[in-house]
Amino acid sequence: AQTVTQSQPEMSVQEAETVTLSCTYDTSENNYYLFWYKQPPSRQMILVIRQEAYKQQNATENRFSVNFQKAAKSFSLKISDSQLGDTAMYFCAFMRNNAGNMLTFGGGTRLMVKP
Amino acid sequence: DAGVIQSPRHEVTEMGQEVTLRCKPISGHNSLFWYRQTMMRGLELLIYFNNNVPIDDSGMPEDRFSAKMPNASFSTLKIQPSEPRDSAVYFCASSVGGWTEAFFGQGTRLTVV
Repeated sequence: AQTVTQSQPEMSVQEAETVTLSCTYDTSENNYYLFWYKQPPSRQMILVIRQEAYKQQNATENRFSVNFQKAAKSFSLKISDSQLGDTAMYFCAFMRNNAGNMLTFGGGTRLMVKP
Repeated sequence: DAGVIQSPRHEVTEMGQEVTLRCKPISGHNSLFWYRQTMMRGLELLIYFNNNVPIDDSGMPEDRFSAKMPNASFSTLKIQPSEPRDSAVYFCASSVGGWTEAFFGQGTRLTVV
């Protein structure tokens, strides 16, 4: 079974600064996908970024980027130029091959962006 | 597209009552998921449908929980009888399948008193 661990229950960052959220996972699979989802106070789960395990290049979406270290089974999220609207819970999620699109989620990191 | 639509958004019920949560996936999506979110256990997958057929229901906590997908545009999650420990936010999500991300509804917050 896969497990996803987010070791930082809460983090805070000043507006306009950069913050990195950590995620590690455990799997014996070689092909899989990793995701970061954002859950603001509205409760909506919003996809932030995705990474295919077979790609060595780290994914980037505007101010959001990942540091994917396959050998270390690490998948951190970097948020640059943090904005107040980035305040939310962030969940790391794992999708393994040949298992449909079922996701295994980490416990989440609550991020507070301070003005 | 309206996205994944769940109803109701909030439900308060008494212990022992039957509760039915509803979901309309995004049109054209052939995979549907029910997740439960609690403070203690985080986000857990309850059941996964592909082309209206339940593929994996290993996450369904017990026989009090049942889920159906009678057609491609509708699914229900039923709890009978409900218990206070079922209080949680229940999410429905859908995807087109393959290696694509899941799109989530806004969730139903269930409170069983």
